[in-house]
Amino acid sequence: EIVLTQSPGTLSLSPGERATLSCRASQKVNSRYLAWYQQRPGQAPRLLIYGASSRATGIPDRFSGSGSGTDFTLIISRLEPEDSAVYHCHQYSTTPWTFGQGTKVEIK
Amino acid sequence: QVQLVESGGGLVKPGGSLRLSCAASGFTFSDHYMAWIRQRPGKGLDYVSHIGSGGASIYNADSVKGRFTISRDNAKNSLSLQMDGLRVEDTAIYYCARLALGDNGYHYFFMDVWGKGTTVTVSS
Repeated sequence: EIVLTQSPGTLSLSPGERATLSCRASQKVNSRYLAWYQQRPGQAPRLLIYGASSRATGIPDRFSGSGSGTDFTLIISRLEPEDSAVYHCHQYSTTPWTFGQGTKVEIK
Repeated sequence: QVQLVESGGGLVKPGGSLRLSCAASGFTFSDHYMAWIRQRPGKGLDYVSHIGSGGASIYNADSVKGRFTISRDNAKNSLSLQMDGLRVEDTAIYYCARLALGDNGYHYFFMDVWGKGTTVTVSS
């Protein structure tokens, strides 16, 4: 099983700042089959990024994904208040499909 | 608009059964693989089960094998999850999700549409 470890656990930043979230896999994620989801408090997850770097429909270009192999990154370039959420990474390269434990982004 | 609406959650005793349903609308349901994802209280996400567009291809996580059964009715745009032998550790919000379909017809195993979820509580 591919274990995804996200860091940091919590990120506390001010509006306009840049957030860098990491997702590290215990084994290589083939074909860059890695996705990121945003989950606002009390809501269902929402797809942000797939294929490690492709933005989903309607996602602002403030969100960008990068990485390959075992190291992946989600960057939110200019934080806005509505970006307060938990961000989950997900590998769909190898069964069982797995998720990271999440990174909470707090807006000061 | 594209929408998934879950129902059927509730409180059940250990060893009991529950059937979750998901009503899909706004897209061609029969084109897509569909999945159930759960989130235990205060925890991350767990991939539970998925079913192919025609119903023939099924995947179940080890934690639910032999206890949960996923099914679909393409004529009714409906997805179901029959949960038997429920355990306390099955307590979670259960999300119905659509798996992505590429322009080339390739089925990807990431979720591009999610329902709001239904809560299952297993407790004596």
